[in-house]
Amino acid sequence: SQQGEEDPQALSIQEGENATMNCSYKTSINNLQWYRQNSGRGLVHLILIRSNEREKHSGRLRVTLDTSKKSSSLLITASRAADTASYFCATGSRDSGAGSYQLTFGKGTKLSVIP
Amino acid sequence: DGGITQSPKYLFRKEGQNVTLSCEQNLNHDAMYWYRQDPGQGLRLIYYSQIVNDFQKGDIAEGYSVSREKKESFPLTVTSAQKNPTAFYLCASSIQGGRGYTFGSGTRLTVV
Repeated sequence: SQQGEEDPQALSIQEGENATMNCSYKTSINNLQWYRQNSGRGLVHLILIRSNEREKHSGRLRVTLDTSKKSSSLLITASRAADTASYFCATGSRDSGAGSYQLTFGKGTKLSVIP
Repeated sequence: DGGITQSPKYLFRKEGQNVTLSCEQNLNHDAMYWYRQDPGQGLRLIYYSQIVNDFQKGDIAEGYSVSREKKESFPLTVTSAQKNPTAFYLCASSIQGGRGYTFGSGTRLTVV
């Protein structure tokens, strides 16, 4: 089942601008992760934020997590044409039945950065 | 270099045929996963395996089968029972207990 829902579905910005993508989810989580997918390729892990963290940075990426609102945002600062890709949030949680850790992915935000 | 390899990159299947997608990792990861991705959609979990000789159905297991005879390998068979198999298939692996997944580069399956 897909828990994360990204917003917007598509985003087009000029190079140098900041890009903000949002993710909402429904159930409790252990962590939330963001992945990037270039067209026709596999996903690449960008950043993980634990449920007890509120903000995390990695280079030009900034992720926030609000567990009370069950939402997260990914900010890419000073965007570049090479940032053009789809971005997915994924929520990590323990499966209540099997007890195994599971990642559940949203449908993604397609980001286009125009040179 | 450690990584996860999917083959082939492109695969064409005739109606009624079974096909097997390969996934191999040399990361020493315990857990492996198969996802299906349709155009403009997110990833849906087909099967996963937490340990050798054990695997569990995901959300859309019907028409698919897997095996996990070796830690490094988790092949996916798309059977003739899968009515709409044309999709992009992604394999991933992780250490036991999760955190981040490492993905392969995917196999695009087309029914002709």
